[in-house]
Amino acid sequence: GAVVSQHPSRVICKSGTSVKIECRSLDFQATTMFWYRQFPKQSLMLMATSNEGSKATYEQGVEKDKFLINHASLTLSTLTVTSAHPEDSSFYICSAPRLAGGQETQYFGPGTRLLVL
Amino acid sequence: SQKIEQNSEALNIQEGKTATLTCNYTNYSPAYLQWYRQDPGRGPVFLLLIRENEKEKRKERLKVTFDTTLKQSLFHITASQPADSATYLCALDPNNAGNMLTFGGGTRLMVKP
Repeated sequence: GAVVSQHPSRVICKSGTSVKIECRSLDFQATTMFWYRQFPKQSLMLMATSNEGSKATYEQGVEKDKFLINHASLTLSTLTVTSAHPEDSSFYICSAPRLAGGQETQYFGPGTRLLVL
Repeated sequence: SQKIEQNSEALNIQEGKTATLTCNYTNYSPAYLQWYRQDPGRGPVFLLLIRENEKEKRKERLKVTFDTTLKQSLFHITASQPADSATYLCALDPNNAGNMLTFGGGTRLMVKP
């Protein structure tokens, strides 16, 4: 079946540093990928839509200069958290849509746990 | 304002019973609604999609209903097992434009042996 991977699975960094998270679709191509953030005991909140070959679309309240998104190829999107601060600590999850069984389904990555000290 | 509401309190049931989870939405007109399972520290896993013209959908022990008049979807797990313990999320595409999802807060289900 379709698989979406993320790397790293968890990262601890110092405040002020930048962290890059990769999202890959392993056996299908995705012109669009989505990045979500999930705080403890809360639901997933869409941050941005990553578009291959064009700029990402950010949701209201998400700083595009802080959360840099690059959709480098049809199987890879990266999210870079720049100048990370403790309040950026969260669970970051990507997803990619794929047509399966006649319907379009979102396949989610396993998530990346970011802890900023 | 637009809302997707799920019971935030955990649902505790005995093994073998049917679990019923509720998803209510306000100020959306979704063409379809989806249910996902999320285990701690993991990404959501797609379970079922139900379209607005479908009243009920089944997959093995899972059943989903969709009432566009009540603006509600019910998610049932029959003959529940401890392995069904997880958080279940409902989601919809707010713009019916394809793919982008807005999630409810999720309901944690605990099935006791």
